[in-house]
Amino acid sequence: QKEVEQDPGPLSVPEGAIVSLNCTYSNSAFQYFMWYRQYSRKGPELLMYTYSSGNKEDGRFTAQVDKSSKYISLFIRDSQPSDSATYLCAPRRSNDYKLSFGAGTTVTVRA
Amino acid sequence: DAGVTQSPTHLIKTRGQHVTLRCSPISGHKSVSWYQQVLGQGPQFIFQYYEKEERGRGNFPDRFSARQFPNYSSELNVNALLLGDSALYLCASSVDTGEETQYFGPGTRLLVL
Repeated sequence: QKEVEQDPGPLSVPEGAIVSLNCTYSNSAFQYFMWYRQYSRKGPELLMYTYSSGNKEDGRFTAQVDKSSKYISLFIRDSQPSDSATYLCAPRRSNDYKLSFGAGTTVTVRA
Repeated sequence: DAGVTQSPTHLIKTRGQHVTLRCSPISGHKSVSWYQQVLGQGPQFIFQYYEKEERGRGNFPDRFSARQFPNYSSELNVNALLLGDSALYLCASSVDTGEETQYFGPGTRLLVL
């Protein structure tokens, strides 16, 4: 079993729709939960991160973590064509350098 | 400010050859990590270096090695290349080993024929 499982894509949504992305993980020691966005043929860029359980909002993006069920979510409101990319969840332990990435979900927002 | 830079951007090698990939971290960052991203998968951790010392190694064979220089730049070396080594190799830098924000470079795309 992989340490991090991410809902497979791809997802195709119309502009303005809400995009929901999900991951599950098995390591209860994970404390930081990152979301990276990766455009085609580019390196991942950090979107946002959450520490422990709870919600965090940053503009159109909301990250949720439920440690009791080991479930991670990212919501994108009012999606734009520029949001078309692969989204990667990447949890890690405290004071640890190693990110454990999910396989990624590719999102296409249609204009 | 310049971000993480990697060279070369693309590389084609044949099986059995050796390859060296290079990474320059963001100025002031002392930690460099290397990841391998096979097409369609998420990045997999290979190595982490901090202050020129190896601090972590992922589940990769001994054909993979790395080092960090006094200016904090880093090299990833892969010997006896296999077809399965074809991937995007990513370098990430951060201020220190526990820093939650790792900044990734654009990667080096390696194709092994």
